[in-house]
Amino acid sequence: RKEVEQDPGPFNVPEGATVAFNCTYSNSASQSFFWYRQDCRKEPKLLMSVYSSGNEDGRFTAQLNRASQYISLLIRDSKLSDSATYLCVVKSIFGTGTRLKVLA
Amino acid sequence: GAVVSQHPSRVICKSGTSVKIECRSLDFQATTMFWYRQFPKQSLMLMATSNEGSKATYEQGVEKDKFLINHASLTLSTLTVTSAHPEDSSFYICSARGSLANEQYFGPGTRLTVT
Repeated sequence: RKEVEQDPGPFNVPEGATVAFNCTYSNSASQSFFWYRQDCRKEPKLLMSVYSSGNEDGRFTAQLNRASQYISLLIRDSKLSDSATYLCVVKSIFGTGTRLKVLA
Repeated sequence: GAVVSQHPSRVICKSGTSVKIECRSLDFQATTMFWYRQFPKQSLMLMATSNEGSKATYEQGVEKDKFLINHASLTLSTLTVTSAHPEDSSFYICSARGSLANEQYFGPGTRLTVT
């Protein structure tokens, strides 16, 4: 089993839709979790950290489920500009990324 | 946010030569630096982790004699690809972590092409 796994997608959603991604991890001792966004041929940019209690930043909500060893990212009211690859990071290890395409 | 720079941004070299990539944290002290490699349409693969003043820890399958990492100061780490081959052509990205262990900041990446 890979250390960090994501559904590669692509997720094609219409503008305004709500979309959720999950990311599973194998190391139960992991303490740090993040979501990054990567646009084509650019470096990843931190989207948000993931806290045990869950956290929200505008349209984005991140949650951690330690019992099932996964983190999630929810995007509400999707915008065209949200189209990108979303990478989860667990203790410096990246998932394979999930591609999101928001369609007009 | 914090700024991490990489140099060069692009490099083309001939097979058999060595290439050095620099990673600098510009406005904070990076106690830990990470080197990643990303092949087209794939995710970032962690190559090695280095702490200032100590030897780098390499991930399984990464040859430490081929990918030399030096983290001599709190603001600079270098990755040297020795005797480069075409299969080493990739996008190399560094990231740095300061005293706040919860965030990493990424450099813009270096695209290496070995001919």
